[in-house]
Amino acid sequence: AQSVTQPDIHITVSEGASLELRCNYSYGATPYLFWYVQSPGQGLQLLLKYFSGDTLVQGIKGFEAEFKRSQSSFNLRKPSVHWSDAAEYFCAVGLTNFGNEKLTFGTGTRLTIIP
Amino acid sequence: NAGVTQTPKFRVLKTGQSMTLLCAQDMNHEYMYWYRQDPGMGLRLIHYSVGEGTTAKGEVPDGYNVSRLKKQNFLLGLESAAPSQTSVYFCASRGLGTGHSYEQYFGPGTRLTVT
Repeated sequence: AQSVTQPDIHITVSEGASLELRCNYSYGATPYLFWYVQSPGQGLQLLLKYFSGDTLVQGIKGFEAEFKRSQSSFNLRKPSVHWSDAAEYFCAVGLTNFGNEKLTFGTGTRLTIIP
Repeated sequence: NAGVTQTPKFRVLKTGQSMTLLCAQDMNHEYMYWYRQDPGMGLRLIHYSVGEGTTAKGEVPDGYNVSRLKKQNFLLGLESAAPSQTSVYFCASRGLGTGHSYEQYFGPGTRLTVT
């Protein structure tokens, strides 16, 4: 079965600093990959997604993610964070064949921004 | 479009009481999902539906029942609430097909406390 690992439970960065959130997956083929963001008390909003093609994908709010097949990773990056980026971030994996109606989510990384 | 809506937003139950959470979507999506979110555990799939009149078990289905009598609605029931069901519940939906339609759209959540 597929799985998703987000190794960092909590990350703190200074406003204006760069950010990288890690996501590793386990799956026998190239999956569909997603990053969602959840602001406090809110539902989840899609930041970006990877299906095929260019391994560097751009998302909303200035985020990007790079799919690296050799490392089974899909790390999320932002060159300069803003205080409004404080939220919880979830990586998710979708299968490309049987069972593709579901997503598997990581346990999330909580991002704190300090002034 | 309202997207995905959930009713109620908050609820407090006593152990043994029953209740139903309502999820509605106006995007004509085939697939609908119920997740629960607990600290440090990410989102876990309770039940899902791949079309009107169909339901299937997810990762943590025990203690919950669901129904999808209309395409736009997906109900989650707790017949006899337990404190372990204290959680935030999210509904999501997605369209039929492959590729970019894999994106799930989330509701704002229902915070349930069982005392």
